[in-house]
Amino acid sequence: QVQLQESGPGLVKPSETLSLTCAVSGHSLSSGYYWGWIRQPPGKGLEWIVIISHSGSAFYNPSLKSRVTTSVDTSKNQFSLKLSSVTAADTAVYYCARYISGYDYMDYWGQGTLVTVSS
Amino acid sequence: QSVLTQPPSVSAAPGQKVTISCSGSSSNIGKKYVSWYQQLPGTAPKLLIYENDKRPSGIPDRFSGSKSGTSATLGITGLQTGDEADYYCGTWDTSVSAGVFGGGTKLTVL
Repeated sequence: QVQLQESGPGLVKPSETLSLTCAVSGHSLSSGYYWGWIRQPPGKGLEWIVIISHSGSAFYNPSLKSRVTTSVDTSKNQFSLKLSSVTAADTAVYYCARYISGYDYMDYWGQGTLVTVSS
Repeated sequence: QSVLTQPPSVSAAPGQKVTISCSGSSSNIGKKYVSWYQQLPGTAPKLLIYENDKRPSGIPDRFSGSKSGTSATLGITGLQTGDEADYYCGTWDTSVSAGVFGGGTKLTVL
């Protein structure tokens, strides 16, 4: 059974960089698949952020691309998200998930972590 | 404004049937598979339907999906109070090479 767990600071100051990590168990990242990040502002809908393959190939939400950095660490079996120059609008629950490329769905999700941007 | 359009809310009585629509365009639903997710209050989204009409193991056959042209539909029969949740459609958009979600539909079982 694949399991994902997000971790990172719950509070980030405006203009700083949000950094999150998703630890994966039950599947080796080096074996394949894409891995993604999705966020959900309080009381709002889901927003697709980015997906990255085990080899580092990534696809980005155009509206966030200039501020997003993502990477995979196969030695630790985890992948990460960095979002720079954050504002209050970036306050959201951030989810990581496994993405099935070509069939375009996310089958396993983490429980999510709330990140608040505030001074 | 989401790329995929869903009704904000739908409602029906227990035991009844409800459908939730998801409207897109030729660059997304018209070309790619659609998936559906159920998000119960306070929890992470869960995959409900993938590849337009397939159900993951453990999802009851009360849930069904279909696609026609640039629209997709989620159907739920035999409504239960436990089905009260937000439902999201998702797909890939070839014009931006990125995934997209609908704005979500809140289902109320009266």
